[in-house]
Amino acid sequence: DIQMTQSPSSLSASVGDRVTITCRASQNISRYLNWYRQKSGTAPNLLVYAASHLQSGVPSRFSGSGSGTNFTLTISSLQPEDFATFYCQQSYTSPLTFGQGTKVDVK
Amino acid sequence: EVQLVESGGGLVQPGGSLRLSCAASGFTFRTYEMNWVRQTPGKGLEWLSYISTSGSNTRYADSVKGRFTISRDNAKNSLYLQMNSLRAEDTAVYYCARQLGSGVLDYWGQGALVTVSS
Repeated sequence: DIQMTQSPSSLSASVGDRVTITCRASQNISRYLNWYRQKSGTAPNLLVYAASHLQSGVPSRFSGSGSGTNFTLTISSLQPEDFATFYCQQSYTSPLTFGQGTKVDVK
Repeated sequence: EVQLVESGGGLVQPGGSLRLSCAASGFTFRTYEMNWVRQTPGKGLEWLSYISTSGSNTRYADSVKGRFTISRDNAKNSLYLQMNSLRAEDTAVYYCARQLGSGVLDYWGQGALVTVSS
């Protein structure tokens, strides 16, 4: 199975901050990388698919980049609703696998 | 509006069975592949199973292969997960998720809690 490793596991930030989360795959997954945000007590919500494509309705403060094994999710200006946990997920091959999550909390 | 609503969760004893349902609305269910994903505090998000639009093609995680069965009824706009031989480590919140394409999960249900305990 492909292992997905996110860093950091947690970070503290303030509203308006620029935040960057990284995700590394254990093998080349081309651009088959997706990002989700999960607010407390709710289901994950798709933000970015295919490494850099913003899902419909997702604010433009989110952006994704990368290919191969290294990927990045950037939030250009953190908003109150972004205090949540973010997950990467590879869709290159079955089984689909997720990173362990990055929790963003209030500094 | 796309909606996925899981039901059927609850408390079950080890070795027991449970059937989860996922009622879909707001989209043409029969044209979308579907998945089940679970979440535990310890193991995070874990993909469990996939089913093709017709139901003829299915895939499973090794952790549930032979114990869980995914199915769908396109006439009823419903997805199912039959869970047998349940273990304590199957305790989790179970989500159904619509597949946008190539493993991208674009809509998720609210989740159903399954607790396996004596």
